[in-house]
Amino acid sequence: GAGVSQSPSNKVTEKGKDVELRCDPISGHTALYWYRQSLGQGLEFLIYFQGNSAPDKSGLPSDRFSAERTGGSVSTLTIQRTQQEDSAVYLCASSLKGTGGGSPLHFGNGTRLTVT
Amino acid sequence: DAKTTQPPSMDCAEGRAANLPCNHSTISGNEYVYWYRQIHSQGPQYIIHGLKNNETNEMASLIITEDRKSSTLILPHATLRDTAVYYCIVISAGGTSYGKLTFGQGTILTVHP
Repeated sequence: GAGVSQSPSNKVTEKGKDVELRCDPISGHTALYWYRQSLGQGLEFLIYFQGNSAPDKSGLPSDRFSAERTGGSVSTLTIQRTQQEDSAVYLCASSLKGTGGGSPLHFGNGTRLTVT
Repeated sequence: DAKTTQPPSMDCAEGRAANLPCNHSTISGNEYVYWYRQIHSQGPQYIIHGLKNNETNEMASLIITEDRKSSTLILPHATLRDTAVYYCIVISAGGTSYGKLTFGQGTILTVHP
């Protein structure tokens, strides 16, 4: 079946502009995650959605970052007033269940954001 | 979640088995061992996971020692397309850690002709 889909695959924006990144998780997956990966670095957790529960926003680096998940499916990550340090690959993942123990995460190929 | 230690890099000849080790000496009883890999310009790809028993799927085998303090990912017949960074991570079955995967530096596996 279809995997996690992210769009756009690449986004170049000017400093100070707002951007929206989209994630379509695997159908039926109740949990959705956003990570970012800077060049040559590991994954940095941003936010986690599980069903109808309040999202875990503990990884969001500043109040310029926000995310929503509509209807328990598609998610949008919004970055306001982008800065050059926001340049990274933003990865979305979904899993069948929320607990990490027996439910692997499946990642999309990410959106490469470049802030000029 | 328990910390993991992996060698920074390994080489393997095409067609041979690639054995990637991982130490997780502080693992607790309810923590799973997961393996992911990341090929350049792609998102991480799930490979396999296990709790206590050895596991095998179409991609790889996972051998977990009896004391669970270390494990080995085995790619039985490595191909050039298996060149990637391989991450071993440990995550608990419940609690609040769920999807907050912490990827270390992993092992860069290079498969050569």
